[in-house]
Amino acid sequence: DIQMTQSPSSLSASVGDRVTITCRASQSVTSYLNWYQQKPGKAPKLLIYAASSLQSGVPSRFSGGGSGTDFTLTISSLQPEDFSTYYCQQSDSTPWTFGQGTKVEIK
Amino acid sequence: QVQLQESGPGLVKPSETLSLTCTVSGGSISTYYWSWIRQPPGKGLEWIGWIYYSGSTNYNPSLKSRVTISVDTSKNQLSLKLSSVSAADTALYYCARVQGGYTYGFEYWGQGTLVTVSS
Repeated sequence: DIQMTQSPSSLSASVGDRVTITCRASQSVTSYLNWYQQKPGKAPKLLIYAASSLQSGVPSRFSGGGSGTDFTLTISSLQPEDFSTYYCQQSDSTPWTFGQGTKVEIK
Repeated sequence: QVQLQESGPGLVKPSETLSLTCTVSGGSISTYYWSWIRQPPGKGLEWIGWIYYSGSTNYNPSLKSRVTISVDTSKNQLSLKLSSVSAADTALYYCARVQGGYTYGFEYWGQGTLVTVSS
């Protein structure tokens, strides 16, 4: 199985801050890397697919980058509604696997 | 707008079989891959398996011996069966549609259904 490791596991930030979350794969997943946002009591929401493609309807302050084993999710200017948990997920090979999550909290 | 709705018993006894159904509305189940994903309370996400509308499947090896996913195109439904459950199978179970044929993430999700394994 491909192990996905996110860092940090949690972070505190203020509204307007630029935030970057990192996801590292235990082996190359080429560009088959997706990012999700999950709010308490809700299903995850797809933000970024194929490493850097913005899902329809997702604000442009979200962006993704990377390829191979190292990926990033960046929020250019954190908004109040962005305080959530974020997960990366590889779809390069089964079993598809998720990172452990990064919780973004209000400072 | 595509909507997914999971349904099934919220409580299952240890060693019994968990059975869930996902009903798809607002779109056809055909030509897509569909998945089941679970999330133990307060923990992360685990992919259970996928099914193509034609019936072909792929399961997580960690669950493969206990999992069956099936599809009923006439009812626009997919189903999950997980046998010999234990407390470790207590989780919120989601169904989801895979985007872009196969590899571009889960674009639509159900609201999830909590299944508790307890006697």
